[in-house]
Amino acid sequence: SAVISQKPSRDICQRGTSLTIQCQVDSQVTMMFWYRQQPGQSLTLIATANQGSEATYESGFVIDKFPISRPNLTFSTLTVSNMSPEDSSIYLCSVWDRERVYEQYFGPGTRLTVT
Amino acid sequence: KNQVEQSPQSLIILEGKNCTLQCNYTVSPFSNLRWYKQDTGRGPVSLTIMTFSENTKSNGRYTATLDADTKQSSLHITASQLSDSASYICVVSARKGGGSYIPTFGRGTSLIVHP
Repeated sequence: SAVISQKPSRDICQRGTSLTIQCQVDSQVTMMFWYRQQPGQSLTLIATANQGSEATYESGFVIDKFPISRPNLTFSTLTVSNMSPEDSSIYLCSVWDRERVYEQYFGPGTRLTVT
Repeated sequence: KNQVEQSPQSLIILEGKNCTLQCNYTVSPFSNLRWYKQDTGRGPVSLTIMTFSENTKSNGRYTATLDADTKQSSLHITASQLSDSASYICVVSARKGGGSYIPTFGRGTSLIVHP
Protein backbone atom coordinates (compact mmCIF):
# COMPACT_ATOMS: atom_id res chain seq x y z
CA SER A 1 0.00 0.00 0.00
CA ALA A 2 1.02 3.61 -0.49
CA VAL A 3 1.52 5.90 2.49
CA ILE A 4 0.72 9.53 1.79
CA SER A 5 1.58 12.55 3.93
CA GLN A 6 0.34 16.10 3.49
CA LYS A 7 1.54 19.43 4.81
CA PRO A 8 0.10 21.44 6.40
CA SER A 9 -2.59 19.40 8.12
CA ARG A 10 -4.64 22.54 8.64
CA ASP A 11 -4.36 26.27 8.20
CA ILE A 12 -6.36 29.44 8.68
CA CYS A 13 -5.69 32.00 5.96
CA GLN A 14 -6.84 35.49 5.13
CA ARG A 15 -8.85 36.34 2.07
CA GLY A 16 -6.72 37.19 -0.94
CA THR A 17 -3.68 35.17 0.11
CA SER A 18 -2.38 31.88 -1.30
CA LEU A 19 -1.55 28.55 0.33
CA THR A 20 0.58 25.73 -1.07
CA ILE A 21 -0.21 22.20 0.07
CA GLN A 22 2.43 19.51 -0.23
CA CYS A 23 1.83 15.81 -0.88
CA GLN A 24 4.54 13.21 -0.38
CA VAL A 25 4.14 9.50 -1.23
CA ASP A 26 6.42 6.78 0.11
CA SER A 27 6.70 5.08 -3.29
CA GLN A 28 6.74 6.04 -6.94
CA VAL A 29 3.25 6.30 -8.39
CA THR A 30 2.04 7.07 -11.86
CA MET A 31 -1.25 8.74 -11.03
CA MET A 32 -1.65 11.48 -8.43
CA PHE A 33 -4.86 13.38 -7.89
CA TRP A 34 -6.08 16.37 -5.90
CA TYR A 35 -9.58 16.38 -4.45
CA ARG A 36 -11.69 18.90 -2.57
CA GLN A 37 -14.17 17.86 0.09
CA GLN A 38 -16.58 20.55 1.22
CA PRO A 39 -18.66 20.04 4.38
CA GLY A 40 -21.41 17.49 3.82
CA GLN A 41 -20.40 16.98 0.22
CA SER A 42 -18.76 14.18 -1.69
CA LEU A 43 -15.18 14.34 -2.87
CA THR A 44 -14.72 16.41 -6.01
CA LEU A 45 -11.74 15.86 -8.29
CA ILE A 46 -9.82 19.07 -8.91
CA ALA A 47 -7.11 17.77 -11.22
CA THR A 48 -4.76 14.96 -12.11
CA ALA A 49 -1.13 15.84 -11.43
CA ASN A 50 1.01 14.66 -14.32
CA GLN A 51 4.73 14.16 -13.86
CA GLY A 52 6.71 16.30 -16.23
CA SER A 53 3.73 18.00 -17.83
CA GLU A 54 0.85 20.31 -17.02
CA ALA A 55 -1.92 19.02 -14.76
CA THR A 56 -5.25 17.96 -16.23
CA TYR A 57 -8.07 20.00 -14.67
CA GLU A 58 -11.70 19.00 -14.24
CA SER A 59 -14.57 21.18 -15.31
CA GLY A 60 -14.92 24.15 -12.99
CA PHE A 61 -11.29 24.23 -11.92
CA VAL A 62 -8.59 26.32 -13.60
CA ILE A 63 -4.83 26.47 -13.44
CA ASP A 64 -4.71 30.12 -12.40
CA LYS A 65 -6.72 29.36 -9.27
CA PHE A 66 -5.23 25.92 -8.47
CA PRO A 67 -1.71 25.67 -9.91
CA ILE A 68 -0.23 22.20 -9.46
CA SER A 69 3.34 20.97 -9.63
CA ARG A 70 4.56 17.38 -9.99
CA PRO A 71 8.36 17.45 -10.17
CA ASN A 72 8.78 13.69 -9.68
CA LEU A 73 6.88 10.43 -9.11
CA THR A 74 6.58 10.84 -5.32
CA PHE A 75 5.75 14.52 -4.77
CA SER A 76 3.17 17.08 -5.78
CA THR A 77 1.94 20.48 -4.62
CA LEU A 78 -1.41 22.20 -4.94
CA THR A 79 -1.67 25.96 -4.51
CA VAL A 80 -4.96 27.62 -3.67
CA SER A 81 -4.56 31.15 -5.01
CA ASN A 82 -6.29 34.41 -4.13
CA MET A 83 -8.39 32.64 -1.54
CA SER A 84 -11.96 33.49 -0.61
CA PRO A 85 -14.15 32.01 2.14
CA GLU A 86 -15.69 29.70 -0.50
CA ASP A 87 -12.34 27.93 -0.73
CA SER A 88 -12.68 26.73 2.86
CA SER A 89 -12.59 22.99 2.50
CA ILE A 90 -10.55 19.85 3.01
CA TYR A 91 -8.03 19.22 0.26
CA LEU A 92 -6.96 15.63 -0.28
CA CYS A 93 -4.08 14.16 -2.22
CA SER A 94 -4.70 10.72 -3.68
CA VAL A 95 -2.77 8.12 -5.66
CA TRP A 96 -3.77 5.14 -7.73
CA ASP A 97 -1.79 1.94 -7.34
CA ARG A 98 -1.42 0.53 -10.83
CA GLU A 99 -0.22 -2.83 -9.48
CA ARG A 100 -3.39 -3.17 -7.43
CA VAL A 101 -5.64 -1.85 -10.11
CA TYR A 102 -8.67 -0.87 -8.09
CA GLU A 103 -6.89 0.47 -5.03
CA GLN A 104 -6.94 4.21 -4.52
CA TYR A 105 -5.19 5.71 -1.50
CA PHE A 106 -5.80 9.07 0.14
CA GLY A 107 -3.68 11.38 2.20
CA PRO A 108 -4.88 12.67 5.59
CA GLY A 109 -6.10 15.90 4.05
CA THR A 110 -5.45 19.59 4.64
CA ARG A 111 -8.24 21.49 6.36
CA LEU A 112 -8.28 25.03 5.04
CA THR A 113 -10.29 27.85 6.60
CA VAL A 114 -10.36 31.22 4.84
CA THR A 115 -11.44 34.23 6.86
CA LYS B 1 -24.65 11.09 -15.77
CA ASN B 2 -22.92 8.81 -13.27
CA GLN B 3 -24.37 9.16 -9.78
CA VAL B 4 -23.97 7.51 -6.38
CA GLU B 5 -26.64 7.96 -3.72
CA GLN B 6 -26.13 6.89 -0.13
CA SER B 7 -28.65 6.43 2.65
CA PRO B 8 -29.22 7.24 5.34
CA GLN B 9 -27.41 10.57 5.46
CA SER B 10 -26.71 10.02 9.14
CA LEU B 11 -27.27 7.26 11.64
CA ILE B 12 -27.00 6.98 15.42
CA ILE B 13 -26.79 3.57 17.06
CA LEU B 14 -25.84 2.09 20.42
CA GLU B 15 -22.57 0.31 20.91
CA GLY B 16 -22.85 -3.40 20.19
CA LYS B 17 -25.75 -3.04 17.74
CA ASN B 18 -25.60 -3.89 14.05
CA CYS B 19 -26.36 -1.49 11.22
CA THR B 20 -26.61 -1.44 7.44
CA LEU B 21 -25.71 1.41 5.12
CA GLN B 22 -27.05 1.63 1.57
CA CYS B 23 -25.56 2.73 -1.73
CA ASN B 24 -27.46 3.01 -5.03
CA TYR B 25 -25.66 3.92 -8.20
CA THR B 26 -26.06 4.68 -11.87
CA VAL B 27 -22.52 4.24 -13.18
CA SER B 28 -21.69 2.77 -16.54
CA PRO B 29 -19.78 0.86 -17.66
CA PHE B 30 -19.30 -0.57 -14.18
CA SER B 31 -15.78 -1.42 -13.07
CA ASN B 32 -15.72 -1.71 -9.28
CA LEU B 33 -17.37 -0.55 -6.08
CA ARG B 34 -15.44 0.45 -2.99
CA TRP B 35 -16.45 1.35 0.54
CA TYR B 36 -14.26 3.75 2.50
CA LYS B 37 -14.23 4.77 6.14
CA GLN B 38 -13.29 8.36 6.88
CA ASP B 39 -12.58 9.34 10.46
CA THR B 40 -12.96 13.00 11.36
CA GLY B 41 -9.86 14.90 10.29
CA ARG B 42 -8.46 11.95 8.33
CA GLY B 43 -8.44 10.83 4.71
CA PRO B 44 -10.67 7.96 3.51
CA VAL B 45 -9.38 4.44 4.15
CA SER B 46 -10.49 1.53 1.99
CA LEU B 47 -12.67 -1.14 3.64
CA THR B 48 -13.76 -3.34 0.73
CA ILE B 49 -13.45 -3.51 -3.04
CA MET B 50 -15.83 -5.49 -5.26
CA THR B 51 -15.84 -6.08 -8.97
CA PHE B 52 -18.76 -7.14 -11.15
CA SER B 53 -18.36 -10.84 -10.39
CA GLU B 54 -18.28 -10.45 -6.61
CA ASN B 55 -21.47 -10.11 -4.58
CA THR B 56 -20.04 -10.08 -1.07
CA LYS B 57 -16.78 -9.09 0.59
CA SER B 58 -15.88 -9.05 4.27
CA ASN B 59 -13.27 -7.17 6.25
CA GLY B 60 -13.55 -8.07 9.91
CA ARG B 61 -16.86 -6.78 11.24
CA TYR B 62 -17.59 -5.05 7.91
CA THR B 63 -19.44 -6.96 5.18
CA ALA B 64 -20.26 -5.39 1.84
CA THR B 65 -22.73 -6.79 -0.66
CA LEU B 66 -23.24 -5.93 -4.30
CA ASP B 67 -26.23 -6.53 -6.54
CA ALA B 68 -25.08 -5.52 -10.00
CA ASP B 69 -28.54 -6.13 -11.49
CA THR B 70 -30.30 -3.62 -9.25
CA LYS B 71 -27.18 -1.45 -8.94
CA GLN B 72 -27.26 -1.53 -5.17
CA SER B 73 -24.68 -2.15 -2.49
CA SER B 74 -24.85 -2.33 1.28
CA LEU B 75 -22.30 -2.17 4.05
CA HIS B 76 -23.21 -4.13 7.16
CA ILE B 77 -21.41 -3.41 10.41
CA THR B 78 -21.67 -6.10 13.08
CA ALA B 79 -21.37 -5.51 16.82
CA SER B 80 -20.57 -1.83 16.45
CA GLN B 81 -17.82 -0.20 18.46
CA LEU B 82 -17.24 3.41 19.44
CA SER B 83 -14.36 3.52 16.95
CA ASP B 84 -16.82 2.83 14.13
CA SER B 85 -18.04 6.42 14.46
CA ALA B 86 -17.03 7.91 11.11
CA SER B 87 -18.27 8.78 7.66
CA TYR B 88 -18.68 5.83 5.27
CA ILE B 89 -18.27 6.63 1.60
CA CYS B 90 -19.39 4.51 -1.33
CA VAL B 91 -17.31 4.93 -4.49
CA VAL B 92 -18.39 3.42 -7.81
CA SER B 93 -16.01 3.46 -10.74
CA ALA B 94 -16.67 3.34 -14.45
CA ARG B 95 -14.28 1.61 -16.83
CA LYS B 96 -12.19 3.85 -18.98
CA GLY B 97 -9.80 3.03 -21.82
CA GLY B 98 -6.23 2.05 -21.06
CA GLY B 99 -7.05 -0.01 -17.98
CA SER B 100 -7.97 2.97 -15.85
CA TYR B 101 -11.29 3.99 -14.34
CA ILE B 102 -13.26 7.06 -13.29
CA PRO B 103 -14.56 7.05 -9.69
CA THR B 104 -17.83 8.67 -8.62
CA PHE B 105 -18.10 9.40 -4.92
CA GLY B 106 -21.19 9.30 -2.75
CA ARG B 107 -21.74 11.96 -0.09
CA GLY B 108 -21.25 9.46 2.67
CA THR B 109 -23.24 8.25 5.66
CA SER B 110 -22.26 9.74 8.99
CA LEU B 111 -22.38 7.04 11.67
CA ILE B 112 -22.31 7.84 15.36
CA VAL B 113 -21.98 5.02 17.86
CA HIS B 114 -23.05 5.87 21.40
CA PRO B 115 -21.93 3.95 24.49
